[in-house]
Amino acid sequence: ETGVTQTPRHLVMGMTNKKSLKCEQHLGHNAMYWYKQSAKKPLELMFVYSLEERVENNSVPSRFSPECPNSSHLFLHLHTLQPEDSALYLCASSQDVTLWGQPLNEQFFGPGTRLTVL
Amino acid sequence: GIQVEQSPPDLILQEGANSTLRCNFSDSVNNLQWFHQNPWGQLINLFYIPSGTKQNGRLSATTVATERYSLLYISSSQTTDSGVYFCAVSSNDYKLSFGAGTTVTVRA
Repeated sequence: ETGVTQTPRHLVMGMTNKKSLKCEQHLGHNAMYWYKQSAKKPLELMFVYSLEERVENNSVPSRFSPECPNSSHLFLHLHTLQPEDSALYLCASSQDVTLWGQPLNEQFFGPGTRLTVL
Repeated sequence: GIQVEQSPPDLILQEGANSTLRCNFSDSVNNLQWFHQNPWGQLINLFYIPSGTKQNGRLSATTVATERYSLLYISSSQTTDSGVYFCAVSSNDYKLSFGAGTTVTVRA
C-alpha cells in the first residue's frame, strides 16, 4: 500500500464512450501526476498538477482531459478514445514539484488502471 | 530530456543468486528513484537515491552522481523479486524520465 489509490483497476470501453479514471492520495502531498504505460514503452508523463494548478501538459491529445478539484484527488476524463490508447494509466504523487513539473522528492504510485479501448 | 539507459534488459536468475542492475543517465540529476513493478502493474518504491548508498534488507543501491550512474544490488534473490525494475531521474532542467527497465526472472 503506497498511499495512492486508483479506481477502477480495469476498464473496457468503446471508442464512443465517456469514462473517468480517479486517483486519490492519502499522503498529504501537494503534487499529483498522470502517466501512461504502453506495452514495450517507457512510462510517459501526461499531466502534472501542483496544488490543483496544472503545471505541465506533455502534448497529450485533447481526448484526455484532467481535473484536479483539490490536492488529494485527480481525475482523467476520457472521451472518443482510440484503440492505441489502450494502456496502463498510473497516478503518482510527491510532496513538492517545481514550476516546470519536476518532482522535488520521492514519487509514490498508485496501482494503475488497465484500460482497453475496443 | 535526460537519456536513461538500463542494463541488462533481461536477467534470469536462480533463486539465491546475487545480481547488479545498472542505470546510466546523460546529465546531472537531483532526483533518482528505483522502482519494482510487480506482475499486476504496481510500481513499488525501492530507493530514493540521488547520491550515495542505501540499503534495505536484501536490496541496496549506490548512485555516483558525478559519473552519472546508479546501481541496484539484489542479494540472495527470491522468486518474489521477479518483475521489472525501473530507474527514473529528473533535474532542474528536465522532467522525470524513466528507463526502459530490466526484466528480472528468478527461478526456483
